[in-house]
Amino acid sequence: AQTVTQSQPEMSVQEAETVTLSCTYDTSESDYYLFWYKQPPSRQMILVIRQEAYKQQNATENRFSVNFQKAAKSFSLKISDSQLGDAAMYFCAYRSANGAQKLVFGQGTRLTINP
Amino acid sequence: NAGVTQTPKFQVLKTGQSMTLQCAQDMNHEYMSWYRQDPGMGLRLIHYSVGAGITDQGEVPNGYNVSRSTTEDFPLRLLSAAPSQTSVYFCASSRLAGNNEQFFGPGTRLTVL
Repeated sequence: AQTVTQSQPEMSVQEAETVTLSCTYDTSESDYYLFWYKQPPSRQMILVIRQEAYKQQNATENRFSVNFQKAAKSFSLKISDSQLGDAAMYFCAYRSANGAQKLVFGQGTRLTINP
Repeated sequence: NAGVTQTPKFQVLKTGQSMTLQCAQDMNHEYMSWYRQDPGMGLRLIHYSVGAGITDQGEVPNGYNVSRSTTEDFPLRLLSAAPSQTSVYFCASSRLAGNNEQFFGPGTRLTVL
């Protein structure tokens, strides 16, 4: 079974600075997808960024980018120019490319933005 | 287009009571699923469905039942609530094939006393 580990329960960053959230995963599969979800205090789950394992290029969405290291099974999220609205829980998630769309989530990292 | 809707938003039950959490989507998604979120544990899959009439168990299915009689609806039933089922419950849906985004409902906070 696949597992996802987020080793940083809490992180904080100054507004306008850059922060990196860590995620590692364990799988024997070669084809899969990785995601970062944001959960603000409203509780709504919001997709931030996704990465296909077969793509070597790291995904980027505006101020959000990932560092995908397939051999190391690492998938970190970098947030540049942090804004107060980025404060939230962030979850890393894994999904196999085979079969149903079942997501396996990490434990989450609570990100605080200091003004 | 309402996306994924869940009712109720909050619920308090007594141990042993039964209830149904409702989930509906209007995007014609084949795949629907239920997760529970507990502090420090992320979201864990309870049950999922790949189409009407087809359901399967996820990681933590005990104490929960599901059915999928239509594409739109995927209710989650608690037959005899226990304090261990106190959690936040999320419903999600997506297209079945490819790298499709899963859309989540707003969640239901359930407390079992």
